[in-house]
Amino acid sequence: QVQLVESGGGVVQPGRSLRLSCAASGFTFSSYGMHWVRQAPGKGLEWVTLISDDGNNKYYVDSVKGRFTISRDNSQNTLYLQVNSLRAEDTAVYYCAKDRGAARPGYRQYGMDVWGQGTTVTVSS
Amino acid sequence: QSVLTQPPSASGTPGQRVTISCSGSSSNIGSNTVNWYQQLPGTAPKLLIYSNSQRPSGVPDRFSGSKSGASASLAISGLQPEDEADYYCAAWDDNLKCWVFGGGTKLTVL
Repeated sequence: QVQLVESGGGVVQPGRSLRLSCAASGFTFSSYGMHWVRQAPGKGLEWVTLISDDGNNKYYVDSVKGRFTISRDNSQNTLYLQVNSLRAEDTAVYYCAKDRGAARPGYRQYGMDVWGQGTTVTVSS
Repeated sequence: QSVLTQPPSASGTPGQRVTISCSGSSSNIGSNTVNWYQQLPGTAPKLLIYSNSQRPSGVPDRFSGSKSGASASLAISGLQPEDEADYYCAAWDDNLKCWVFGGGTKLTVL
């Protein structure tokens, strides 16, 4: 079955960096776009970033542009999120999620179907 | 302030029918399909409805979705205690070039 397992979260000081990982299994990873979505404590879902199946196209929410970088290794079935210059407002559970399609530009965007269990990032001094 | 607007709360008694609305604009719901997600307490979100009205395998047919113009709705019929959860709508926004979520609706089964 499709499975996504995030790791890499933790407690980090403001201004520092982390790299989140998401190990995928049970599907052809290289055929699907992948997302990161976060949820601050007691708040709703906030979409963060999307990468297309081939890694050539990336999209970000404005609040993380220039600080977060999404990437993928299709040979290792792994999705990454490099988070730099962390702020208190980045404190959240970070979920990786599989897209229903390839997520390439110019084509219909399908959105998230399967989600991981999340990894918690806490930014605090 | 979320791009998509949902009521913060909804409620119903077991067996009742409840609807949750999601209002957007021409750049998101008006020109793209809508997905709905269910998040049970302490768990990851789960896809409930995709492409406005399609149910993934395993989702009971008590859950249905619809879309008209720049608005969408999720209906839950035959409400059950286990339906108590947060529900989110989502759509791609052509102008922002990003996915947008509603603020979420907390459903209480009385």
